[in-house]
Amino acid sequence: GQQVMQIPQYQHVQEGEDFTTYCNSSTTLSNIQWYKQRPGGHPVFLIQLVKSGEVKKQKRLTFQFGEAKKNSSLHITATQTTDVGTYFCAGYIQGAQKLVFGQGTRLTINP
Amino acid sequence: GAVVSQHPSWVICKSGTSVKIECRSLDFQATTMFWYRQFPKQSLMLMATSNEGSKATYEQGVEKDKFLINHASLTLSTLTVTSAHPEDSSFYICSVRKQGQETQYFGPGTRLLVL
Repeated sequence: GQQVMQIPQYQHVQEGEDFTTYCNSSTTLSNIQWYKQRPGGHPVFLIQLVKSGEVKKQKRLTFQFGEAKKNSSLHITATQTTDVGTYFCAGYIQGAQKLVFGQGTRLTINP
Repeated sequence: GAVVSQHPSWVICKSGTSVKIECRSLDFQATTMFWYRQFPKQSLMLMATSNEGSKATYEQGVEKDKFLINHASLTLSTLTVTSAHPEDSSFYICSVRKQGQETQYFGPGTRLLVL
């Protein structure tokens, strides 16, 4: 079946360091979405990437969608303690009209 | 965005009882709602797609007779966990999707603990 793989599973950084999580799909995606889930909370929508090669920025967060629309990355510059949480990518499978979530990357930060 | 509520936010029940969870879309009519389950430190697993006025579409491996879904109106979908057992303890989250869009907006989730 359709799979979306996300790495790393865990990442621990010092505050101020950068952080990147990667997402790869076994199939071409219609779009990819990124969500953040704080500990004890629910996923919160961050962004959606649709176009091949698309790059979007939200302050210190940079999102990329690969040329083949099979991979994506989220990069956080100069992490802050408020960035703590689990970041999920979710690929939209157009034929199935559903999101397939990656395993998530849990980010912890040492202040 | 969209405002989605879930009720209850958490529930503890005895093994063998049934639990109903409500998902409401508060600021728009949602023809499609989704139900997910998330075990601790794991990803979200889609259980079923709930379509207003028709039968839900269940993912492979999800028992439709155990997880009853009713999407009776454009703003409300319910998930009933029938004869709950300890292994059903999980975080159940619904999401809604606006017609014509692909972004999903999640509810706050319901934590179920079956003793």
